[in-house]
Amino acid sequence: EPEVTQTPSHQVTQMGQEVILRCVPISNHLYFYWYRQILGQKVEFLVSFYNNEISEKSEIFDDQFSVERPDGSNFTLKIRSTKLEDSAMYFCASSTLGRGADTQYFGPGTRLTVL
Amino acid sequence: GENVEQHPSTLSVQEGDSAVIKCTYSDSASNYFPWYKQELGKRPQLIIDIRSNVGEKKDQRIAVTLNKTAKHFSLHITETQPEDSAVYFCAAKGQAGTALIFGKGTTLSVSS
Repeated sequence: EPEVTQTPSHQVTQMGQEVILRCVPISNHLYFYWYRQILGQKVEFLVSFYNNEISEKSEIFDDQFSVERPDGSNFTLKIRSTKLEDSAMYFCASSTLGRGADTQYFGPGTRLTVL
Repeated sequence: GENVEQHPSTLSVQEGDSAVIKCTYSDSASNYFPWYKQELGKRPQLIIDIRSNVGEKKDQRIAVTLNKTAKHFSLHITETQPEDSAVYFCAAKGQAGTALIFGKGTTLSVSS
């Protein structure tokens, strides 16, 4: 069964550094998402992406964040200048339709640690 | 925006007992309600979902009920097994939006 994949599994960075988290969504899916989960807390929506544009974003997704689909398979989340509070598990997800009753499939996550 | 409340935060049951987790949502326009199971250090996995035009859905030992009037939905697990131990998240999504709004999660522990 196809799955969403993410790399790296764990990223350690210094505060102020830029990081890029990578995801390969399920091949026939059209909508892509990033969520984050701070340790012990709930999963929070960051952004959704469709047809090379941001479809929806949350208050968390400020100017420090950007997303890109650099080629036909990868979907990336960039954090320009990391802060301590960016430490979290970042999940990529994908789905076929986006809106309505549409199942989102999650990747295994990237644990980001900002020192 | 949508807000999802989930209770209880922890739930301990004996193997073979039933477990019930409840969620309420605030946005009456929400029409899709999935439940995810997350084992320690792993990705959230969809276990069951329900659309707003359905009141109940069952899949083997798992069932979900939805009360649109009261804006709450519940997960029922019967004949619990130790492998059911995990964190369970409910979520809600509106017709017009793309974001899943999650509850805070319930840590279910099933002891044998």
